[in-house]
Amino acid sequence: TQLLEQSPQFLSIQEGENLTVYCNSSSVFSSLQWYRQEPGEGPVLLVTVVTGGEVKKLKRLTFQFGDARKDSSLHITAAQPGDTGLYLCAGVAGNTPLVFGKGTRLSVIA
Amino acid sequence: DAGITQSPRHKVTETGTPVTLRCHQTENHRYMYWYRQDPGHGLRLIHYSYGVKDTDKGEVSDGYSVSRSKTEDFLLTLESATSSQTSVYFCAISRLAGVNNEQFFGPGTRLTVL
Repeated sequence: TQLLEQSPQFLSIQEGENLTVYCNSSSVFSSLQWYRQEPGEGPVLLVTVVTGGEVKKLKRLTFQFGDARKDSSLHITAAQPGDTGLYLCAGVAGNTPLVFGKGTRLSVIA
Repeated sequence: DAGITQSPRHKVTETGTPVTLRCHQTENHRYMYWYRQDPGHGLRLIHYSYGVKDTDKGEVSDGYSVSRSKTEDFLLTLESATSSQTSVYFCAISRLAGVNNEQFFGPGTRLTVL
């Protein structure tokens, strides 16, 4: 069973600060996805990373897939209140179903 | 936004009663999934479907059954609801499996079993 550990579980920061959240596993994944979920809604896909060492940017969000494809990070620059939400990583290994981490709950205070 | 709807959006029921949740998609995606989301557990896969009448179990399938008689509909049934099945249930769809298994989620159904 592949497990994805996310850290930290909770993060509360002031507007304008930078932050990084992590997604780690002992298993190798074919690809890794990041989702954001707002209260009362379903998760929304932000990005998929496929190649070891890959870096993708989405405005102020930077996603990185570890060289060994066992971990990933999400860095947010100059966080804004609109970034508040639950950030979930999810991994694909072969043709097995997607495995989700438990998420990092981010609160950005104005 | 992907065309996924879930019904009902909220339901309160009593222990021992049957409950059916419906997921409907207008995207003609092959794959459909049912998850439950609980504090401290994240999203856990209950069942999934890889085509009409083709389904398989996920991580937490005990007490749940599914059916998919049409591409667009995926039903989740709790034959005899228990309080431990109180949760938020999400349906998701994807066009592909494997590396490109990018999922689109419905708005969720909040189920309370008293």
